[in-house]
Amino acid sequence: AQTVTQSQPEMSVQEAETVTLSCTYDTSESDYYLFWYKQPPSRQMILVIRQEAYKQQNATENRFSVNFQKAAKSFSLKISDSQLGDAAMYFCAYRSDGDYKLSFGAGTTVTVRA
Amino acid sequence: GAGVSQSPSNKVTEKGKDVELRCDPISGHTALYWYRQSLGQGLEFLIYFQGNSAPDKSGLPSDRFSAERTGGSVSTLTIQRTQQEDSAVYLCASSPSGLAGVLSTSADTQYFGPGTRLTVL
Repeated sequence: AQTVTQSQPEMSVQEAETVTLSCTYDTSESDYYLFWYKQPPSRQMILVIRQEAYKQQNATENRFSVNFQKAAKSFSLKISDSQLGDAAMYFCAYRSDGDYKLSFGAGTTVTVRA
Repeated sequence: GAGVSQSPSNKVTEKGKDVELRCDPISGHTALYWYRQSLGQGLEFLIYFQGNSAPDKSGLPSDRFSAERTGGSVSTLTIQRTQQEDSAVYLCASSPSGLAGVLSTSADTQYFGPGTRLTVL
């Protein structure tokens, strides 16, 4: 079974600053997919960014970018120019190629200070 | 529809009662998933549907839990004889297909509904 670890239960960032959320995972697979989901108080899980393990280039979506280190099995999320609307719980998730279910970390709560 | 919808949004029930949770996936999505999010924890996979078939029910925590999907669309998760430990948010997700394809590597991306918060008293 794959294990996804988010070691930071909570993170706080000043508006307009940058925050980095860490995620590590344990797998023996070589092909897999990694995701970051955002869950605001509304409970709606929103896909933030997706990374295919076979791609060396780090994924970027506007102010969100990842640092994917395959050898280290690390997949951190950087939120640049933080906005109040970024406040939410962020989940890192893993899916093995050929599988369908996501394995989630415990989540990191991000607070944005005005 | 525009997104995955779930009903009810909140459900309070008494211990021992049965409950049904409903999920309407995005139109055209063949794959449907149920997850459970207990307080302060991450999401736990429950069951996966491809069309009307559920090839993997291994995540269901006990035989009190069952799910079905009809017409390749709406799914219902049923919990019989509810227990207090069943209290959680139940999230449903759908994806265009269950697996990433050569032509569409994001075909497996799962889109979530807002969940049903179940409270068992």
